[in-house]
Amino acid sequence: AQSVTQLGSHVSVSEGALVLLRCNYSSSVPPYLFWYVQYPNQGLQLLLKYTTGATLVKGINGFEAEFKKSETSFHLTKPSAHMSDAAEYFCAVSAFGDTGRRALTFGSGTRLQVQP
Amino acid sequence: GAVVSQHPSRVICKSGTSVKIECRSLDFQATTMFWYRQFPKQSLMLMATSNEGSKATYEQGVEKDKFLINHASLTLSTLTVTSAHPEDSSFYICSASGLNNEQFFGPGTRLTVL
Repeated sequence: AQSVTQLGSHVSVSEGALVLLRCNYSSSVPPYLFWYVQYPNQGLQLLLKYTTGATLVKGINGFEAEFKKSETSFHLTKPSAHMSDAAEYFCAVSAFGDTGRRALTFGSGTRLQVQP
Repeated sequence: GAVVSQHPSRVICKSGTSVKIECRSLDFQATTMFWYRQFPKQSLMLMATSNEGSKATYEQGVEKDKFLINHASLTLSTLTVTSAHPEDSSFYICSASGLNNEQFFGPGTRLTVL
C-alpha cells in the first residue's frame, strides 16, 4: 500500500519568490513519484516524475523535485514564481496494483497563489 | 505527446437518469484506463481500473453496478453512472496508459445531478 501527504493545502508566494511545495510518501515497494498541475475545471498535466536513476528531476515550466529516500520526500521547487504558476498541485505515488498496472495514489493537493 | 479526450466536458441530468462518459486515447493504444472522481476542493480518488477486453477492477467502496465501465477497444473506455443522484455530482477524470505504464489524463467531465 502507498500513501501521499502534502503539507499545506494553501501556499502563497510573491511573484519572483521561491516556490516550495512539500510532499512526503510511504510505499512498501520502490515508488514512482509524480507531480501534476491542475488548472480550474481541467484535467491533470504532468510536471515531472521520478522512476529510477538521478534523484533530482527537472520538469516543465522551470519546476524540479528531488527524491530523498531517507526522508521519504519529493518536494517540488521553482526558483522564481510566475503569475501563471497559480494552480492546484498534486503529488502522486504509484506502485503495482492488483491489475498488474501501476495505479496512482494522489495527495490532497496544494493550491498555489502567486501575489503580484 | 499522448492525447486523451473526454466527452462530454459538462453534463447536467435529472436524478434517476443514466449518464455515459467517454474516454478516448487519440494517438496511442491504451491497454489500461483508469477512472477517477474528484469532489470540490479535494484530491482525485481512483474508482476503477479497466484493461481492454476484460472486466474492470473497482476500488473498495465503489459500487460496480452503479458505475458501469466498459473498455471495448484499445482507444475507448466508457463510464456509465446509472440512476444518478445528486451525491454523484462530481468531476470525473479518466487516464489512459499504454505499454510504458505512463498515465495520460483527460480534461475531465463535470457531472451535475439535479
